[in-house]
Amino acid sequence: AQSVTQLDSQVPVFEEAPVELRCNYSSSVSVYLFWYVQYPNQGLQLLLKYLSGSTLVKGINGFEAEFNKSQTSFHLRKPSVHISDTAEYFCAVSTGGFKTIFGAGTRLFVKA
Amino acid sequence: EADIYQTPRYLVIGTGKKITLECSQTMGHDKMYWYQQDPGMELHLIHYSYGVNSTEKGDLSSESTVSRIRTEHFPLTLESARPSHTSQYLCASSTSTDTQYFGPGTRLTVL
Repeated sequence: AQSVTQLDSQVPVFEEAPVELRCNYSSSVSVYLFWYVQYPNQGLQLLLKYLSGSTLVKGINGFEAEFNKSQTSFHLRKPSVHISDTAEYFCAVSTGGFKTIFGAGTRLFVKA
Repeated sequence: EADIYQTPRYLVIGTGKKITLECSQTMGHDKMYWYQQDPGMELHLIHYSYGVNSTEKGDLSSESTVSRIRTEHFPLTLESARPSHTSQYLCASSTSTDTQYFGPGTRLTVL
């Protein structure tokens, strides 16, 4: 069975500072990995995904993530955050079956 | 931009009422899902569908039911709403590589 752990429930950061949101997963088979963002009173929106190939994945809004198979991690990074990045971020894993496992979420709070 | 729609966006009803939350997608995806999410909390899968006439219960026990008569339509029904059903309900559909596209959600309040 797969599982996803988001290591930080909340991450406060100042505007224009770099940020890293951590995600670890467990699976006995190959996985697809995703990061989604959720703004207040909205559904989730895909930020980026890793299916295969290059382990460094670039997404929307300047975010990127690196798939590390040996450490079973898929951390999300942005070199300089904006106030508008304040949102809930969800890491997710699937194995190409019918269910995707979501992490508990990390609330990113960007301060002026 | 994802083409998945949910109606209504907000619903306030009294206990005991029957309600149906609508979800439609125009992407032709076979897989569709319903999640329940309390504010600021994680997602809980309550129903999913592989395709027309195929539905399964998810990980979180739910008193709701779903149907999948058409590929694009995946409505969720509560026969008798209770205050414990107060939550946000998110519908999603996915590609063959499990990339999920979410609707805007329905925020349900049962008084």
